[in-house]
Amino acid sequence: SQQGEEDPQALSIQEGENATMNCSYKTSINNLQWYRQNSGRGLVHLILIRSNEREKHSGRLRVTLDTSKKSSSLLITASRAADTASYFCATDAGGGSNYKLTFGKGTLLTVNP
Amino acid sequence: DAGITQSPRHKVTETGTPVTLRCHQTENHRYMYWYRQDPGHGLRLIHYSYGVKDTDKGEVSDGYSVSRSKTEDFLLTLESATSSQTSVYFCAIRTGGNQPQHFGDGTRLSIL
Repeated sequence: SQQGEEDPQALSIQEGENATMNCSYKTSINNLQWYRQNSGRGLVHLILIRSNEREKHSGRLRVTLDTSKKSSSLLITASRAADTASYFCATDAGGGSNYKLTFGKGTLLTVNP
Repeated sequence: DAGITQSPRHKVTETGTPVTLRCHQTENHRYMYWYRQDPGHGLRLIHYSYGVKDTDKGEVSDGYSVSRSKTEDFLLTLESATSSQTSVYFCAIRTGGNQPQHFGDGTRLSIL
């Protein structure tokens, strides 16, 4: 079963605009991770946010986590055509589950030049 | 680069034939995972390993088996491939506590 569910399923924006993707999950987590996948390639890790953290930044990426609402958001600022990809959230329940990740179905982001 | 190599990268085979996919890591990490990715489903865990000869089932393990006889190699076997197993298969490793997984480039498997 899918733990994380991304919203929206697809997002199309113009270069320079901000893109926001949301992720909701159902059970307790140890951390939540965001990944990016370019067409035909493997997943690349973007940001990991621990359950006791509320916000994390990396370059043009900002991730928030609200454990009370079981939700997270990924914000990409000043988007570029090269940001076009699928973005996935994944939840990690920790050592008790052997650090298995449960992925959502992803958001397909298209950034138009 | 987390040093993960998947082989083969592409394979076309017929229904009923056995297929083995290989995942090789160069960094001696304990945890390794096999996923399949299908349109509309995201990534789903097939099997995983938490050490040599220590493996367990994931969400979609039916029709698949795995083996890990040494730290660096994790093999995924389809004993008798079916068309429903046509997919892209990804291997991943986990590098440590509160660390992300690192993925290989995938194997595109088509079963006719």
